[in-house]
Amino acid sequence: DTEVTQTPKHLVMGMTNKKSLKCEQHMGHRAMYWYKQKAKKPPELMFVYSYEKLSINESVPSRFSPECPNSSLLNLHLHALQPEDSALYLCASSPQVAGRYNEQFFGPGTRLTVL
Amino acid sequence: AQSVSQHNHHVILSEAASLELGCNYSYGGTVNLFWYVQYPGQHLQLLLKYFSGDPLVKGIKGFEAEFIKSKFSFNLRKPSVQWSDTAEYFCAVNAGNAGNMLTFGGGTRLMVKP
Repeated sequence: DTEVTQTPKHLVMGMTNKKSLKCEQHMGHRAMYWYKQKAKKPPELMFVYSYEKLSINESVPSRFSPECPNSSLLNLHLHALQPEDSALYLCASSPQVAGRYNEQFFGPGTRLTVL
Repeated sequence: AQSVSQHNHHVILSEAASLELGCNYSYGGTVNLFWYVQYPGQHLQLLLKYFSGDPLVKGIKGFEAEFIKSKFSFNLRKPSVQWSDTAEYFCAVNAGNAGNMLTFGGGTRLMVKP
């Protein structure tokens, strides 16, 4: 299995809703990432998990809450979002070999619309 | 902080035309360089990558890129484009001291007319 899967593919939510995005990989990768991509813009890094621990938080608002329950799963919990949070949310994973760059593999994304 | 520039925001070509998309980065040390493609409605796919060695790298679908260290550039080329190459193209850089972090350029939207 050499892919990153994300569910759901599409999500529409109101500003008072609580929802979660899910990402899964079975490549044995120990680093996982969340990116946000607005239309016609490049992906922007949100969070990095390394060995199930949060290692990077790129000043993301607290209405986004990541969780890494195990080495294969990465969740992004959403609460009290704003319409400007509507975007494509991408998950990626990479091996974690010290001393070298490790290529990231991207999932198809969840297209989120906040009403 | 490193930055990546893609100067061509929109490119329109006819089929069989040659393509060159520019990418420049700002980091002066060791870098790993990538081109990703995002077809309409699809996820990011890796076209090619450069870590070290031959500065001319070949990727999938007939694409190639040349790393010119003195110019801090990693331009993407294809001798003859097809309608199916219509997509968004992103250059990305990993600086040697940045762990696994990627910095993306702003993207180039390519439209190929049949």
